[in-house]
Parts: sequence; C-alpha cells; structure tokens
Amino acid sequence: DVKVTQSSRYLVKRTGEKVFLECVQDMDHENMFWYRQDPGLGLRLIYFSYDVKMKEKGDIPEGYSVSREKKERFSLILESASTNQTSMYLCASRGHYEQYFGPGTRLTVT
Amino acid sequence: RKEVEQDPGPFNVPEGATVAFNCTYSNSASQSFFWYRQDCRKEPKLLMSVYSSGNEDGRFTAQLNRASQYISLLIRDSKLSDSATYLCVVGSFGGSQGNLIFGKGTKLSVKP
Repeated sequence: DVKVTQSSRYLVKRTGEKVFLECVQDMDHENMFWYRQDPGLGLRLIYFSYDVKMKEKGDIPEGYSVSREKKERFSLILESASTNQTSMYLCASRGHYEQYFGPGTRLTVT
Repeated sequence: RKEVEQDPGPFNVPEGATVAFNCTYSNSASQSFFWYRQDCRKEPKLLMSVYSSGNEDGRFTAQLNRASQYISLLIRDSKLSDSATYLCVVGSFGGSQGNLIFGKGTKLSVKP
C-alpha cells in the first residue's frame, strides 16, 4: 500500500511564526504536490515537484515556499504565517497513474 | 471559463436510487480523466479512471465525451456508504508529468 504521511493532523500557530509542514511518501514517486483545501474553493495547488531539488509554482504560491532535498520528502514552509493561511493542507504523490493524498494537516493561524 | 466545472449539489437521494453527476472541462488537450471520492474530513481517494469507451466498476459507470468535453459518473442502487463528495479530475499530460486539475466536487447524501 502506498503511504503518504504528513507530520501533523492539527496545528495551531500564531501570526508571524514560521511554519513547516512535512510530507513523506514511501513509493519512490517522482511527483509530489502541496494543496490547500477551503470550503467552496476546492483543492488549490500551491507548489509541486518532479524531482529532488526541483520545484514549480502552482496556482497560489504566494506566502509559501517548498523544499525537496530527498525524493521521499516534500516540505511546505510558511515563512510568516497569516490568518488567511488557516486551511486544510494536503500533500500528494504520484507515479505514472494514481495520485495518493496524505491525511491532511488542519492549520489554524491565530 | 473554469477549467473543471461541477454542480456542487448537494444531491439528496434515497437508498437504492440511481444518481448521475456531470462535469465539463475547458482544455481540449486533456488526456486523462478520473473521479475521486472524498469523505468528510478525509483525503481524496481515486474512485475510477474514465476512458473514451466508458468503463464500469460494479455499481459505478463513468463516461467520457471528448467532443463535448464532458465527463459523467453514474451510481446505481445507491448505498448509505456512497455519501461523500465526488471530485471530477482532469490531467493535461501524458506519462507521469503534469498536474491534475480538480473540480470543486459534487456532494452526495444518501438517505435511508
């Protein structure tokens, strides 16, 4: 079974804090993705990566950065968290076909 | 025009009913098509792929009409456990590269 794991299910941070969201996949997939999901807006792509040290902006990269130092790990960084970044964050990985999602991290920024 | 458009619902149906969801996509170069299912407070999971010839998996049938850029999902004999949000997903790529574009989802509620 493919497993995509995320470091936290729930996270509460203060405005201005630096936030790290970690994602690990165990299927040697090349492609990894970070989305956020908000009611009424659906899944929106933040960043993605096709290979180690490679990253591409998605639809809403502002306020975020990413890091992929190892193939299995893809990190999302909020440099200075703001209240409008309160959301559900979903990591995903994909080989040649199916895209697998992690369980999500519900982030609240106060 | 939105890239992948779905009726948000909710669709409220009794057990045993047949329900159909539709989805349109804007990129005529799209090459791969899927339906994902997302349960409340859970991550999306692949339900089935959609092929030009149509495909069936038990009570679920998916159809693709490339000329009209339209995808459908039919659920027969609805069960309570079918209650979820169904996401129409389109990929504009071949092989493993490229992104999937997700619709916002159609919510289904199956009542006893």
